[in-house]
Amino acid sequence: DIQMTQSPSTLSASVGDRVTITCRASQSISTYLAWYQQKPGKAPKLLIYKASSLESGVPSRFSGSGSGTEFTLTISSLQPDDFATYYCQQYDSYRTFGQGTKVEVK
Amino acid sequence: QVQLQESGPGLAKPSETLSLTCTVSGGSLSSYYWSWIRQPPGKGLEWIGYIFYSGSTNYNPSLKSRLTISLDTSKDQFSLKLSSVTAADTAVYYCAREDGQGKIAYWGRGTLVSVSS
Repeated sequence: DIQMTQSPSTLSASVGDRVTITCRASQSISTYLAWYQQKPGKAPKLLIYKASSLESGVPSRFSGSGSGTEFTLTISSLQPDDFATYYCQQYDSYRTFGQGTKVEVK
Repeated sequence: QVQLQESGPGLAKPSETLSLTCTVSGGSLSSYYWSWIRQPPGKGLEWIGYIFYSGSTNYNPSLKSRLTISLDTSKDQFSLKLSSVTAADTAVYYCAREDGQGKIAYWGRGTLVSVSS
């Protein structure tokens, strides 16, 4: 099974900060990776698919990069609405989510 | 606009079968992967499995022996049955639509199922 490991687990940041979250796969998954944002009590929201493709309607301050086993999600300038938990997910073999990264107010 | 809505009992007894249904509106079941994903309280997301509109399935290996996902195209519904449940199966269960690019762009609101005697 493919394991997905995110770091950090928690990130403290301020509005306007550049934020980077890392996701590592236990084996190569090419670019079969998506990123989701989840707020308390809500379903996850798709941000990025195919490692770097921005989902329609998602602000351009979100970007994704990487291939193989190492991936990053970057928020170029953190906005108040961006405080949430972020999950990576591979879809190369079955589907596996990372454990999540909570972005909290510093 | 595609909408998904989970329905089913909010409580299941240990060793019994958990059953949920997802009703899809605003779009066809054709050409998509209809998925179940769960989230234990305060924890992360776990993919359960999906059924393609053709009827083929793909299950999480850790749940496969207890899991059945089925499709009823006449009712625009798909269903989840998880047998021999324990407290570890307590979670919010989401139904969702995945497309051919791996995008899970449409989700239900989720329904909490508690396993308790």
